[in-house]
This record gives sequence, structure tokens and C-alpha cells, in this order.
Amino acid sequence: SQQGEEDPQALSIQEGENATMNCSYKTSINNLQWYRQNSGRGLVHLILIRSNEREKHSGRLRVTLDTSKKSSSLLITASRAADTASYFCATDLNNAGNMLTFGGGTRLMVKP
Amino acid sequence: DTAVSQTPKYLVTQMGNDKSIKCEQNLGHDTMYWYKQDSKKFLKIMFSYNNKELIINETVPNRFSPKSPDKAHLNLHINSLELGDSAVYFCASSQVRLAGQNIQYFGAGTRLSVL
Repeated sequence: SQQGEEDPQALSIQEGENATMNCSYKTSINNLQWYRQNSGRGLVHLILIRSNEREKHSGRLRVTLDTSKKSSSLLITASRAADTASYFCATDLNNAGNMLTFGGGTRLMVKP
Repeated sequence: DTAVSQTPKYLVTQMGNDKSIKCEQNLGHDTMYWYKQDSKKFLKIMFSYNNKELIINETVPNRFSPKSPDKAHLNLHINSLELGDSAVYFCASSQVRLAGQNIQYFGAGTRLSVL
């Protein structure tokens, strides 16, 4: 099974509402990252949270990390139609090759 | 200027053919990667490469081979293409362990269709 798994797989909300996406993982991590992918485009890094951090903010984004539960959440506040995209969590295990392990993503649709 | 660029953007080919996808990064990063994204959007690492070593995901068939002419390029060669190779392939790069981080920058992807 995947190292990172997002929940829910799909989320549809109205503009102005908050969107919360969750990510669970299985092994110890160096850090956890969230990426965004617009349809037909590559992934764009949003935010990184280290294993010794519990919460981090960037603009309308808020990320939490609970290493005891091996889970993270991404909150997008006051969502906009332009936030419509897929959101992926990625775990950095500090392994050989420095490879990230991505989950299957949450597809967010924000209706105007 | 595009930081990580891939060509071609679309690639349609017949089973059994050999094809290549090119990737270039102008960020001065020391590590480059290839990912495969399937129809369900699941993103899987294939290779990690810097000027010192190539790390291969053990599940990648040996029909896939990365080739790096220099630090700024990592091309992906695929031999004897199969139907199951149809996917979107992404190139990415990072400056390894900059400030303890490994933030990756992605190209726009190459959509490969094997007929």
C-alpha cells in the first residue's frame, strides 16, 4: 500500500468555504510536503512541515502534523474557484536518492 | 523562463517502439527525478539521479533507462513500449538537502499514449 494516502479522494465545496484534506503515512519521516497539481500541469510545491513541527501557516494554507498518529492535514481557508486542483502529500524519508513518496491525491473542486 | 522543461508534451506511438523523453532544468539543482502518473493520478517515483549515483525504484522495468549527458539534463529512454506504459511522465529536480529540505520542482509532464 502507499506510504501517503489522502482522504477524501474528492471534495466539492462552495467558494468561501474551508477545505480540509488529510494524509496518512506509515513510516518515520524527515518532513512532509504538500503539492498542488492543476489539470494538465506539473506539481507545484505548497508547503513543507518538518517532523519536529506541529503546525505551519502560509497565506490561506494551514498544515498540521501529528507524528504519533502518522497523519497530516491541509486546510485551505476562504477557498476560491482558482483553488480547484488536485492536492498531494509527499513524505520525505531522508532515504538514498532523496526520493519523495506521494499519495494518490485529493481532487478539490471549488464552485463559484 | 521555464525552470524544468520536458519535451515532447504529447507522445503517441505503437507498441514495441523505442522512444525518449527529454528533460532540462535551469535551476542549478544537483538531483533530477522521473515520475510516472497513472490514470488514477497516483504518482510513482521511477528514478533519482545526481552526478554521483543513480537510484532506481526496484519496480521499474529495465526497459526504462535514464541518461544524463550533464547535470542539467536527465532524459528517459523507453524500449519495447507496452500498452501499460501509457501514462503521464514527470521530470523533477531539487537541490538535495538544501537547508535540510528536499523541495522538488516539476516539469509540465509528457503524456505518453501507446497504441
